[in-house]
Amino acid sequence: QVQLQESGPGLVKPSETLALTCNVSGVSVTSGNYYWSWIRQSPGKTLEWIGYIYNSGSTNYNPSLKSRVSVSVDTSKNQFSLRLSSVTAADTAVYYCALEEFALIPYAFDIWGQGTVVTVSS
Amino acid sequence: QSALTQPASVSGSPGQSITISCSGSSSDVGAYDYVSWYQQHPGRAPKLMIFNVRYRPSGVSHRFSGSKSGNTAALTISGLQAEDEADYFCSSYVLSSGTLRVFGGGTKLTVL
Repeated sequence: QVQLQESGPGLVKPSETLALTCNVSGVSVTSGNYYWSWIRQSPGKTLEWIGYIYNSGSTNYNPSLKSRVSVSVDTSKNQFSLRLSSVTAADTAVYYCALEEFALIPYAFDIWGQGTVVTVSS
Repeated sequence: QSALTQPASVSGSPGQSITISCSGSSSDVGAYDYVSWYQQHPGRAPKLMIFNVRYRPSGVSHRFSGSKSGNTAALTISGLQAEDEADYFCSSYVLSSGTLRVFGGGTKLTVL
């Protein structure tokens, strides 16, 4: 079955770039039936959609983060990545990768990674 | 885009039914039948419970049901059980220049 696993630094300094990777197993990231998303959850528990990539290169981002975010795919490693620049304490959150299987369950995140905690602090 | 509006908390006794509302606008909840609901236990990732307003993924109990009227969606849990105690979030597709997604603020369900 499809599984997702996030990885990356747990601590990032203010003004630096947060970089996370989501390792995918059970399906190819090049499959056209999937939207690959990043979602974060603040310490106050609010969920926020960050953005997604599909068809190995098309992207859409949350307008509130668009100027700082980039999502990309590494087909050789079957993974997709998140980069968030100029981070502040407000970017401290649990970061999840998730997917939407458009052929079966459109417009819903039916598979999630376990999440990774990222703290922004000097 | 603005987050969807959910009550901060709801509660019910075992065996009872509860309903959690999710209010949006004509640009999200009211635009299409693309509302989904997630259950999240402490320290765990969210789990999809309802998609496209009223459909349950394989393996989700029939005690969970969804509905929508206008710009407001709802999740109903019948026959409350202790293990239903969790946070619940709604989400919607957003009609915009880009195909975006938005979440509700979450509702804490307490089983008394």
